[in-house]
Amino acid sequence: DIQMTQSPSSLSASVGDRVTITCRASQTINSYLNWYQQKPGKAPELLIYAASSLQSGVPSRFSGSGSGTDFTLTISSLQPEDFATYFCQQSYSTPRAFGQGTKLEIK
Amino acid sequence: QVQLQQWGAGLLKPSETLSLTCAVYGGSFSDYYWSWVRQPPGKGLEWIGEITHGGSTNYNPSLKSRVTISILTSKNQFSLNLNSVTAADTAVYYCATVRPTTRGDYHDYWGQGSLVTVSS
Repeated sequence: DIQMTQSPSSLSASVGDRVTITCRASQTINSYLNWYQQKPGKAPELLIYAASSLQSGVPSRFSGSGSGTDFTLTISSLQPEDFATYFCQQSYSTPRAFGQGTKLEIK
Repeated sequence: QVQLQQWGAGLLKPSETLSLTCAVYGGSFSDYYWSWVRQPPGKGLEWIGEITHGGSTNYNPSLKSRVTISILTSKNQFSLNLNSVTAADTAVYYCATVRPTTRGDYHDYWGQGSLVTVSS
């Protein structure tokens, strides 16, 4: 099974900051990588699919990059509504594992 | 716009069977596969499995011996059964769409989540 590892596990930042979250796969997954945002008590929401494609309706301050084993999610200028937990997920093979999550908190 | 509405028993005793159903509203049922994901309290997301509109299934090996995902196309519903539950199965369970593409699958719509607690 493919293992997904995110870093950092938590992150403190301020409104307006540029933030990068990293996700690493235990073996190559080409570009089969998705990113989700989850707020407390809510279901996850899709942000990015296929490593870099922005889901419809998601603000352009979110972007994704990477291929192979190393991927990043970047938020170019943090907004108050972006403080949440972020998960990556590989869709290269089953089981479609998620990363452990990165909690983004207000500094 | 697809909406998922899920329901099922919220409190189980050890060894009982967890049963959840998810109804799909809007969209074309045949455009998607269907999946279940769970999240223990305060923890991360665990992919449980998926079913195609043709009825083929893939399960997480960690749960494979206990899990069944079924589809009822005539009612635009799909379901999750997990037998012999223990306290370790306590979690919020989500149903989700799977959009299959040549660039990989992704979950673009999710149910509201169902908290299932296993306790004697």
